Amino acid sequence: DAGVIQSPRHEVTEMGQEVTLRCKPISGHNSLFWYRQTMMRGLELLIYFNNNVPIDDSGMPEDRFSAKMPNASFSTLKIQPSEPRDSAVYFCASSPGLAGGRNYEQYFGPGTRLTVT
Amino acid sequence: GNSVTQMEGPVTLSEEAFLTINCTYTATGYPSLFWYVQYPGEGLQLLLKATKADDKGSNKGFEATYRKETTSFHLEKGSVQVSDSAVYFCALSYNFNKFYFGSGTKLNVKP
Repeated sequence: DAGVIQSPRHEVTEMGQEVTLRCKPISGHNSLFWYRQTMMRGLELLIYFNNNVPIDDSGMPEDRFSAKMPNASFSTLKIQPSEPRDSAVYFCASSPGLAGGRNYEQYFGPGTRLTVT
Repeated sequence: GNSVTQMEGPVTLSEEAFLTINCTYTATGYPSLFWYVQYPGEGLQLLLKATKADDKGSNKGFEATYRKETTSFHLEKGSVQVSDSAVYFCALSYNFNKFYFGSGTKLNVKP
């Protein structure tokens, strides 16, 4: 299995530009999570999906951020317009989900390092 | 609410020293508990887990026991190596698989 795939691995953009981050979860996993990691705030959950449906988006910082999961094998996180304070590493993670009362572990992608100048 | 508190780092040890990283949690039910490790420039990787009270998770010489009475899940290793240098995250999972991560503890192991 290839694991969780994220693209691009690095993104440098100018303030005001639109940024789209992509994630392909592990096949068969039905939960997908987007996280942001910075030195100041640590690891923050932005949003997560179960069976392609957003379950909790309370961590999305503001309306400039949006996430979609059009099918079980693809998700995007979009920032429009981007700002320098959005600079961070963005991780996508997937999980088999919740089955029979058991909470499964999450599998993380390698992350996208975003720099907004 | 649900939360995880872990000891602040960095923790600096000499090779072959004993390691303990403290983790305590607050949860309204019966969560599963995890330790993840993050090496520089990489995503988080599952290190070990425990799904019920008194369970012991173990992997690569690391161990942690789910203590419901003290709401703790401390990470231990008897003899650390330089290659163990990384950031370690304690986490709990509860209610539809949402994870709550601690702030991370950086471990530096010197030769």
